[in-house]
Amino acid sequence: KAGVTQTPRYLIKTRGQQVTLSCSPISGHRSVSWYQQTPGQGLQFLFEYFSETQRNKGNFPGRFSGRQFSNSRSEMNVSTLELGDSALYLCASSLTGVETQYFGPGTRLLVL
Amino acid sequence: GDSVTQMEGPVTLSEEACLTINCTYTATGYPSLFWYVQYPGEGLQLLLKATKADDKGSNKGFEATYRKETTSFHLEKGSVQVSDSAVYFCALRGMSGGTSYGKLTFGQGTILTVHP
Repeated sequence: KAGVTQTPRYLIKTRGQQVTLSCSPISGHRSVSWYQQTPGQGLQFLFEYFSETQRNKGNFPGRFSGRQFSNSRSEMNVSTLELGDSALYLCASSLTGVETQYFGPGTRLLVL
Repeated sequence: GDSVTQMEGPVTLSEEACLTINCTYTATGYPSLFWYVQYPGEGLQLLLKATKADDKGSNKGFEATYRKETTSFHLEKGSVQVSDSAVYFCALRGMSGGTSYGKLTFGQGTILTVHP
């Protein structure tokens, strides 16, 4: 069974731009979670989607948003990029959100 | 809220040495506990897990026991290899209803370097 895939793997943007990241979960998994990883703050939970609905949310500003499609694929969007948004963004999937999460390879975003 | 505390790193060991990485947690009820490993340039891989008190998770020679009385989930390996060099994360998934859906709370990570 294929694992979690994320595209693109690397991205360079400038301040003020917006970016969209994509995540395809393991087949059959309906829950998708997003995390931000930085050297200073570590791994922080952004939000979780299940059946196209945001069910849980971390403490991030409204510039960070997401959505989930009927095939469980998810996108994350960051608007008005700031230098501090430079990070590795990780996506994880699980069957329904209460089981073990499996992670993708991440998208490394650099904001200049 | 939920929190996870890992021992300060980095940890440097010689091949075949014993490894212990301490992890303690704060959470209500009986959270599920996990160890994930991250190799350079990659995402997180599940190493092992335990879902109830006194459970022992094990994989690839690594072990961790869910200790409710000490709120701990220490990672151990009897003989490390150079290939074990990576960053190790302790994590929990809480039981607080809707706020726990799809959410893992992570420790700060411990860098392990194993020399030949």
